[in-house]
Amino acid sequence: NAGVTQTPKFRILKIGQSMTLQCTQDMNHNYMYWYRQDPGMGLKLIYYSVGAGITDKGEVPNGYNVSRSTTEDFPLRLELAAPSQTSVYFCASSSVENEQFFGPGTRLTVL
Amino acid sequence: AQKVTQAQTEISVVEKEDVTLDCVYETRDTTYYLFWYKQPPSGELVFLIRRNSFDEQNEISGRYSWNFQKSTSSFNFTITASQVVDSAVYFCALGSSNTGKLIFGQGTTLQVKP
Repeated sequence: NAGVTQTPKFRILKIGQSMTLQCTQDMNHNYMYWYRQDPGMGLKLIYYSVGAGITDKGEVPNGYNVSRSTTEDFPLRLELAAPSQTSVYFCASSSVENEQFFGPGTRLTVL
Repeated sequence: AQKVTQAQTEISVVEKEDVTLDCVYETRDTTYYLFWYKQPPSGELVFLIRRNSFDEQNEISGRYSWNFQKSTSSFNFTITASQVVDSAVYFCALGSSNTGKLIFGQGTTLQVKP
């Protein structure tokens, strides 16, 4: 099992550009999450999904969108990149009562 | 409101010392989960332990031990005989029993010097 995979690992965007961060899990978990980690800080939840077709906002959803068309995939979309979105993005999956398995992260810089 | 506080921003110890990382949480839920994750310099998040709110039994795993006290809303983590490889950022997190969402503390950076 690959666990949770994220692509790309690194990306530099110009202000106003858009991109999609990909996340795939092969553990058949219903629950998936997107977090961001700013330097020296803990992780903050952006969006989460409790199953295919169901998504909801977390603590910091502004500037992001998500979709969940399959159990395996949970892409995160940035429409108009801003410097404040410079961060490391982690995707995770779990069954609700168990630990979340995290992907390796995507380091995004917006200049 | 749900909140996790890790008051110790950075801790520095010498190898073989014992060290305790503090975690205090706030929640109105009666059922919840508590976690500790380790983030080594390479950046990945490594799961260490999960505790549910009904299980206050302390746990020991090798050099690691955890003390869960519901009366003080604390879930502290002790490393015995620390090693250089323990150097990392450690996060405490509070999990929802309904959605699994995690609220993270700000993390404690542990530096173990040889």
